[in-house]
Amino acid sequence: GQQVMQIPQYQHVQEGEDFTTYCNSSTTLSNIQWYKQRPGGHPVFLIQLVKSGEVKKQKRLTFQFGEAKKNSSLHITATQTTDVGTYFCAGVRTTGRRALTFGSGTRLQVQP
Amino acid sequence: DAGVTQSPTHLIKTRGQQVTLRCSPKSGHDTVSWYQQALGQGPQFIFQYYEEEERQRGNFPDRFSGHQFPNYSSELNVNALLLGDSALYLCASSLVPGRDEKLFFGSGTQLSVL
Repeated sequence: GQQVMQIPQYQHVQEGEDFTTYCNSSTTLSNIQWYKQRPGGHPVFLIQLVKSGEVKKQKRLTFQFGEAKKNSSLHITATQTTDVGTYFCAGVRTTGRRALTFGSGTRLQVQP
Repeated sequence: DAGVTQSPTHLIKTRGQQVTLRCSPKSGHDTVSWYQQALGQGPQFIFQYYEEEERQRGNFPDRFSGHQFPNYSSELNVNALLLGDSALYLCASSLVPGRDEKLFFGSGTQLSVL
């Protein structure tokens, strides 16, 4: 079945440092989404990428979708304490089941 | 505009019991998906309901079943509970499958099986 892997599992940064999490799928994706889950909370949608090579920005967050539509990344510039949480990528396959398959997540801790 | 609501928020059961979790989707949404999230893991897809039918199913045993009502609300039933069923159960609503898979999650039901 489809697998979506994320690295790293955990990252601890000083406030102001940059942060990047990477997502890799075993199958080609029709689109990829990113979610953020604060400690004790539920996943909240951040963005969806659809096109090969697509890059989208939301303030300090930059999202990329790979050319082969099998990988993606999220980069946060100058982290803030409000960025603390777990970031999940979730992909939809191009064939077969279209349900979102979530990665294992990257937990970000920001030291003030 | 109400978001996705789930009940109850917490539940404690013993092995072998049965449990029913409930979900009301976001206003305007007609598709409900259920996910299981173990501690420190990503959400795992259980199944999705649309037009009162199960449309897609993940790798979960038949002990996990569901239902969707005409008002789009949904229930998740788990029979013969195992210790390993302890997790956060998340309901997510969205628009018609294939049109927009963006999910809106509820706050979840924390199930503990003793």
